[in-house]
Amino acid sequence: AQSVTQLGSHVSVSEGALVLLRCNYSSSVPPYLFWYVQYPNQGLQLLLKYTSAATLVKGINGFEAEFKKSETSFHLTKPSAHMSDAAEYFCAVSDSGGYQKVTFGTGTKLQVIP
Amino acid sequence: DTGVSQDPRHKITKRGQNVTFRCDPISEHNRLYWYRQTLGQGPEFLTYFQNEAQLEKSRLLSDRFSAERPKGSFSTLEIQRTEQGDSAMYLCASGPGLAGLGQFFGPGTRLTVL
Repeated sequence: AQSVTQLGSHVSVSEGALVLLRCNYSSSVPPYLFWYVQYPNQGLQLLLKYTSAATLVKGINGFEAEFKKSETSFHLTKPSAHMSDAAEYFCAVSDSGGYQKVTFGTGTKLQVIP
Repeated sequence: DTGVSQDPRHKITKRGQNVTFRCDPISEHNRLYWYRQTLGQGPEFLTYFQNEAQLEKSRLLSDRFSAERPKGSFSTLEIQRTEQGDSAMYLCASGPGLAGLGQFFGPGTRLTVL
């Protein structure tokens, strides 16, 4: 079974500071990994994905994530937080075959302090 | 707009009533997924269609729940004899069936059972 663990249900950063949201995964097969963002009362938007190509993945809105197999991690970072980054972020994993069912973490709410 | 759409966006119903939600996926996507998201949690997989075939159902999908995708295009999710525990956001996603491209989510239908 696949799973992801997101460390920290709430993260606060100052505007302009580094954003680091942590995600560790568990998978018995090479995984595909995703980060999604959810704004209040909206669906999820795909930020970026790892599919076994480059280990450093760049996404939208200046976010990037690095796949580290040895640490089973896929942490999300952004060098400088903007107020508009305040949202909930979900890490997710799926296998590379089959139905590609996605298993989500419990989410991390990012607060950006002016 | 060619994204995933869901209707209605909000539904309030009384316990015991039946409700039906609709999802229109991105037209060229043959895969369609339903998820349920409760407050403070990540989305949980409910069911998956490839074209009109329902290929996987979660154990979360009790016999009060039924989903269809009759012509391989739009899908409906019906909940019979609603219970207060059914209150949640119901999310639909579609995907192109190519491994690793991720899923694209609709805005969700928020169900409140009184």
